[in-house]
Amino acid sequence: EAEVAQSPRYKITEKSQAVAFWCDPISGHATLYWYRQILGQGPELLVQFQDESVVDDSQLPKDRFSAERLKGVDSTLKIQPAELGDSAMYLCASSLGAHIETQYFGPGTRLLVL
Amino acid sequence: SQQGEEDPQALSIQEGENATMNCSYKTSINNLQWYRQNSGRGLVHLILIRSNEREKHSGRLRVTLDTSKKSSSLLITASRAADTASYFCATESAGNMLTFGGGTRLMVKP
Repeated sequence: EAEVAQSPRYKITEKSQAVAFWCDPISGHATLYWYRQILGQGPELLVQFQDESVVDDSQLPKDRFSAERLKGVDSTLKIQPAELGDSAMYLCASSLGAHIETQYFGPGTRLLVL
Repeated sequence: SQQGEEDPQALSIQEGENATMNCSYKTSINNLQWYRQNSGRGLVHLILIRSNEREKHSGRLRVTLDTSKKSSSLLITASRAADTASYFCATESAGNMLTFGGGTRLMVKP
């Protein structure tokens, strides 16, 4: 069964460093999402792509976070510089299209900022 | 911000018992979904109920939706130890953007 791939699975970094996370959605899925999940809470949407275009990034802290999906397939989420409060699980999800409701999640990248 | 609130935050039951989790939300929705998350893993879609539906079943899962009360419940019947996980409700209002609640942490003791 096709799955959403994410790497790395774990990342430890020091504050002020740059980090990057990668996501490869299920083949053929046009819509890609990045979520942040703080321990003990539900996921919060950071950015949504439809193909290579950003549909919503209203919750993305744009002073330090950036996301791209250049060819409309895989995507990279970057944080520069990382802060202590960025420690969280970063989840990527994909769906067939913007109006296809079910989202398929990857295993996530757990980030610890020291 | 999180629209949904799950209740209870944590639930511990014995294997074979039923588990009921509730979700309340604030604004009108197109649909409501329930997801499951095993510790340290991604989320898995369980079931979707549309705003014009009142009840839906999938295997041992039963979901109800009361749009007048802006609430939903997830019932897991005959629970198993493997059902131990966190369960999240998520509402979709527009553009397929999901807003998740804080989750219910379920422990099923063998």
